[in-house]
Amino acid sequence: QQQVKQSPQSLIVQKGGIPIINCAYENTAFDYFPWYQQFPGKGPALLIAIRPDVSEKKEGRFTISFNKSAKQFSLHIMDSQPGDSATYFCAASYSNAGNMLTFGGGTRLMVKP
Amino acid sequence: ETGVTQSPTHLIKTRGQQVTLRCSSQSGHNTVSWYQQALGQGPQFIFQYYREEENGRGNFPPRFSGLQFPNYSSELNVNALELDDSALYLCASRQTRSTDTQYFGPGTRLTVL
Repeated sequence: QQQVKQSPQSLIVQKGGIPIINCAYENTAFDYFPWYQQFPGKGPALLIAIRPDVSEKKEGRFTISFNKSAKQFSLHIMDSQPGDSATYFCAASYSNAGNMLTFGGGTRLMVKP
Repeated sequence: ETGVTQSPTHLIKTRGQQVTLRCSSQSGHNTVSWYQQALGQGPQFIFQYYREEENGRGNFPPRFSGLQFPNYSSELNVNALELDDSALYLCASRQTRSTDTQYFGPGTRLTVL
């Protein structure tokens, strides 16, 4: 009930491509869905987050699409750059549980020059 | 940089020993959470502290314990270390327990031999 499933595990795109990372959740009580970017040896850094009352959110080159009925959400990276090569994690939390984050398993993205 | 600091950066211990990890939260943040990130996996929630009291706990045994101090800095203590405790331990702080956005520190890499 607490799981967040993320796919794919790894992804390789060419510079300028649009990698898409997908996540699915089971617990309908989740009300906050952030995406984190993590470089080797560093802690996760918040990229963008969405709540279930909107279907899409854009911040710079990053877009979250949210499908409440399907219990799925995805991250799109526009005009991807080699510097975007990192591991990306989706996560979910709900306010009644103190906002503790449940993370997906991660997607290792490589953007080739 | 998030303003969340952790020490030490790396630590090597042997099985059965005890370890203490430290975290200084971002200025103005009174809620601190600890996560364990095994190699190649997403972070898993250990516990959370709000105003010096434990405010939620994940599926971790009692040998994982913590403290939060009046200045909102925090410690994670692990007793009777096991090989599987080898991981990156992440601290995250947020303004208050009802705030969604969590900011992670760089982590402490613990190796248990």
